[in-house]
Amino acid sequence: EPEVTQTPSHQVTQMGQEVILRCVPISNHLYFYWYRQILGQKVEFLVSFYNNEISEKSEIFDDQFSVERPDGSNFTLKIRSTKLEDSAMYFCASSLQGARSNQPQHFGDGTRLSIL
Amino acid sequence: AQSVTQPDIHITVSEGASLELRCNYSYGATPYLFWYVQSPGQGLQLLLKYFSGDTLVQGIKGFEAEFKRSQSSFNLRKPSVHWSDAAEYFCAAAGGNEKLTFGTGTRLTIIP
Repeated sequence: EPEVTQTPSHQVTQMGQEVILRCVPISNHLYFYWYRQILGQKVEFLVSFYNNEISEKSEIFDDQFSVERPDGSNFTLKIRSTKLEDSAMYFCASSLQGARSNQPQHFGDGTRLSIL
Repeated sequence: AQSVTQPDIHITVSEGASLELRCNYSYGATPYLFWYVQSPGQGLQLLLKYFSGDTLVQGIKGFEAEFKRSQSSFNLRKPSVHWSDAAEYFCAAAGGNEKLTFGTGTRLTIIP
């Protein structure tokens, strides 16, 4: 069964450094998402991406964050200048037709980001 | 505001016993509803989903969930749990926009 893959599984970065989290969504999916889960807290929506542009973003997704689909397979989340509070598990998800359809989002195993 | 509530933070059941995990939602209209499971160190795996139609939906691993509009609930059930069901369970909803809204999760512990 096709799946969403994320790399790396664990990323350790110094505060203030830039970090890029990578995701390969399911190949025929058109909608892409990033979520994060701070330790012990609920999973929170960050951003959705469709047709090469952001379709929706949360208040968490400020100017320090950006997303990109640099080629036909990868979907990346960049944090420009990391802060301690960015430490979390980041999940990538993809969907065939988006949240308003009857197609669910499929999640990757996540990247654990640790900011020192 | 749209929200999903899972009242039980932690539930412990004996192996072989039945299970019910509660989920309530607050949305202007009936959202799409989902249950995901997260094993330690793993991602979120979709157990089942409700979009419309039959209010009792079947999922993977022997799980089912019942949608009750009058109670704004979507509770997850399993008749007999196995030790491998120990995990964190998340209820989620989608309605009117692209994001999934998750509940805080219920951690399930299975005792022999």
